[in-house]
Amino acid sequence: SQQGEEDPQALSIQEGENATMNCSYKTSINNLQWYRQNSGRGLVHLILIRSNEREKHSGRLRVTLDTSKKSSSLLITASRAADTASYFCAQRGGGTSYGKLTFGQGTILTVHP
Amino acid sequence: GAGVSQSPSNKVTEKGKDVELRCDPISGHTALYWYRQSLGQGLEFLIYFQGNSAPDKSGLPSDRFSAERTGGSVSTLTIQRTQQEDSAVYLCASSVSGWSTDTQYFGPGTRLTVL
Repeated sequence: SQQGEEDPQALSIQEGENATMNCSYKTSINNLQWYRQNSGRGLVHLILIRSNEREKHSGRLRVTLDTSKKSSSLLITASRAADTASYFCAQRGGGTSYGKLTFGQGTILTVHP
Repeated sequence: GAGVSQSPSNKVTEKGKDVELRCDPISGHTALYWYRQSLGQGLEFLIYFQGNSAPDKSGLPSDRFSAERTGGSVSTLTIQRTQQEDSAVYLCASSVSGWSTDTQYFGPGTRLTVL
């Protein structure tokens, strides 16, 4: 079952604008990861933020984490048409489930040229 | 270097038939994972291998599903007596060691359609 919830479910913006996607989770985390998926196939890892970090940057990506609110956000600045994809947050399991990723429902981002 | 590969890319089968899905992880990766993605259920974890053993198979939906990994490399996911609800994209991923901070690298998936 999905532990994370993401909003919005879909986001449509113009090229050059910023896109913000939010993720909430229910259990404590070791880290939270964001993935991108094009055309419903393979997932590509974007960025990982650990539970003791509050913000992380990678190129045009900025991720924040608020463990008190059990939420994270992904900001894509100066979006491009090539950023059109589905974006998922995922938390790594704990205990005997440390291997698995539990994904949110995802946000479908459409960037119009 | 080569990424994670999966075969076949598409599989159409009739209800009741058995299917085998193959995953070739990145060379040297000790951890291997299977997930599936369907419209109704989103992305779901199925099973995790560390080497040839599976410490977490909690996501396998029924005893019709099984998986094995041999030689610490190739893995096969087998679905017996397929049902229409098994239709989904089956994704395989691998990572260097299975640590929680490891990046999981995903293959392109196998789209399974059960008629």
